[in-house]
Amino acid sequence: EVQLVESGGGLVQPGGSLRLSCAASGFTFTNYWMNWVRQTPGGGLEWVANIKQDGSEHYYVDSVKGRFTISRDNAEDSLSLQMNNLHAEDTAIYYCARGLLSTFPFDYWGQGTVVTVSS
Amino acid sequence: EIVMTQSPGTLSVSPGDGATLSCRASQSISSNLAWYQLKPGQTPRLLFYGASTRAPGIPARFSGSGSGTDYTLTISSLQSEDFALYYCQQYNNWPPAFGGGTKVEIK
Repeated sequence: EVQLVESGGGLVQPGGSLRLSCAASGFTFTNYWMNWVRQTPGGGLEWVANIKQDGSEHYYVDSVKGRFTISRDNAEDSLSLQMNNLHAEDTAIYYCARGLLSTFPFDYWGQGTVVTVSS
Repeated sequence: EIVMTQSPGTLSVSPGDGATLSCRASQSISSNLAWYQLKPGQTPRLLFYGASTRAPGIPARFSGSGSGTDYTLTISSLQSEDFALYYCQQYNNWPPAFGGGTKVEIK
């Protein structure tokens, strides 16, 4: 059974940092692009970043470029998102999601981890 | 960037009735469209990709259709577990974009 389990969310002040993790199991992690997707308090969904199977390519939505870094550890079947210089607008539920057809769409998601950016 | 517009924002439906959810792209996305179901406390679920290809395990009462800029998710007879949020997503152009969602609620 495919499982994606996120962790690392919490409350952080504006300008602060947080590192999210996603533990993957039940599939061959190295065969898939992996993604981070977020759901804002208003309910909107936004793709945040993704990374190629071997980590050689990664892409970001414009609003997080230069602040967020996606990475993966294929030896540990894990995905990470380092988030720096956090803004209030980054407040969201962050989901780890597997790419179905190369990059998109997303066939499996985790349950999400909540990030709140507030003073 | 492509803008995805879903309508209606909220759909009130009685169990057993049908529901039609719409998704419109600001330009053609060549059927590179996915539908997702989100329910509180559960992992989001992929329903369709390629506009009409049903994901594994999705019941036949769900159907996806459309082409060009206009797409539809139809639920033929709503069950209690179908009351949820539904989002469309285009992945034809960069960056991939979601619609604003449709909430299907019990009437």
